[in-house]
Amino acid sequence: DVVMTQSPLSLPVTLGQPASISCRSSQSPVSADGNTYLNWFQQRPGQSPRRLIYEVSRRDSGVPDRFSGSGSGTDFTLKISRVEAEDVGVYYCMQSIHWPWTFGQGTKVEIK
Amino acid sequence: QVQLVESGGGAVQPGRSLRLSCVASGFSFSVYPMHWVRQAPGKGLEWVARLSHDGTSAQYPDSVKGRFTISRDNSKNTLYLQMNSLRPDDTAVYYCTRDSISWSIDYWGQGTLVTVSS
Repeated sequence: DVVMTQSPLSLPVTLGQPASISCRSSQSPVSADGNTYLNWFQQRPGQSPRRLIYEVSRRDSGVPDRFSGSGSGTDFTLKISRVEAEDVGVYYCMQSIHWPWTFGQGTKVEIK
Repeated sequence: QVQLVESGGGAVQPGRSLRLSCVASGFSFSVYPMHWVRQAPGKGLEWVARLSHDGTSAQYPDSVKGRFTISRDNSKNTLYLQMNSLRPDDTAVYYCTRDSISWSIDYWGQGTLVTVSS
């Protein structure tokens, strides 16, 4: 199975400051068609997960533009340009090209 | 808007069976592959099963292969997960999710809790 390794696992941040989460995959999530199937999900406390980013950097409708995804090969990053209170929660990366699809362990973002 | 409503969770003894259901609305259900994803209490996310739009092709991780079966009834806009030989480590919230058709998951239900304990 493809192992997705996130860091850090806990991220205390100051409101208004940037935050960055790393995700490394044991195999590249690039398909034969050249697309990279790396996703980011946000799970706020007590809620279901919500997709933020797909194909490395494509932001979902309604997702604030302070969220951005980047990376290539086996190294990917989710950045929040200025953290707001509503960003508190756990963030997961997921590769969706190799069976079984696999998630990272999750990174808990909290306000300092 | 897209809605996915799971049901069928509950408490069950090890070795027993349970069937989860998910009623979909707000989109053309028969066009989309569907998935189940689970989350053990206080833990991360684990993908459990995927089924093609027409129900002919399914994928599972080794942790549930041979015990769980995903199926669908497109005439009822309903997705199912038949879970047999349940184990305590199957205890989790089970989410019904929609495949985005571009190799991703775009919508999640609210989840249904399955507790396996003697």
